[in-house]
Amino acid sequence: TQLLEQSPQFLSIQEGENLTVYCNSSSVFSSLQWYRQEPGEGPVLLVTVVTGGEVKKLKRLTFQFGDARKDSSLHITAAQPGDTGLYLCAGAFPPQEYGNKLVFGAGTILRVKS
Amino acid sequence: NAGVTQTPKFRILKIGQSMTLQCAQDMNHNYMYWYRQDPGMGLKLIYYSVGAGITDKGEVPNGYNVSRSTTEDFPLRLELAAPSQTSVYFCASSFRESTGELFFGEGSRLTVL
Repeated sequence: TQLLEQSPQFLSIQEGENLTVYCNSSSVFSSLQWYRQEPGEGPVLLVTVVTGGEVKKLKRLTFQFGDARKDSSLHITAAQPGDTGLYLCAGAFPPQEYGNKLVFGAGTILRVKS
Repeated sequence: NAGVTQTPKFRILKIGQSMTLQCAQDMNHNYMYWYRQDPGMGLKLIYYSVGAGITDKGEVPNGYNVSRSTTEDFPLRLELAAPSQTSVYFCASSFRESTGELFFGEGSRLTVL
């Protein structure tokens, strides 16, 4: 059983379209991070959300943390080919559940076609 | 700034061979991690360290060993390579645990034949 579910696994869209990636758990997150990874490189942090209901924006990317801190979403407005990559969510759970370590989702491969 | 440096970038091993993946960071981070990444599986934690001389198992430690003799270095040892260890390995470091940003190396692609 996956502690953290990420969906969809794969998205192929046209430039200019909007998209949303989801990250869900049956357990409460202490905090949640979103990373982006390009081929041949390591993941790079986009954002960390800590407070239930929190919304953070990074240019065309909007990150939401659910009120109950069990889910998060990443919304990209007007996607561009440069957004292509693997998006990973990573959740921190209370120490008694996973020793305070980050648990990664399986990732969403995004391809934006021009 | 170097950040996290991993070597080698690519390696092919025969079944039963041994090797060490090197990882070094120059950010003076106490926390260091080794992950493996397989297609469609995200990142799985192999081992981690909270400081020099202290290491602990992650989610998938079987077949691997680590040591942390200095703050900077965190090598990962594969003793008897198996095809199941074919993967991309990432070393990462952070200033804080869990909520701290992970800084990743560029990865080491290992193939076991």
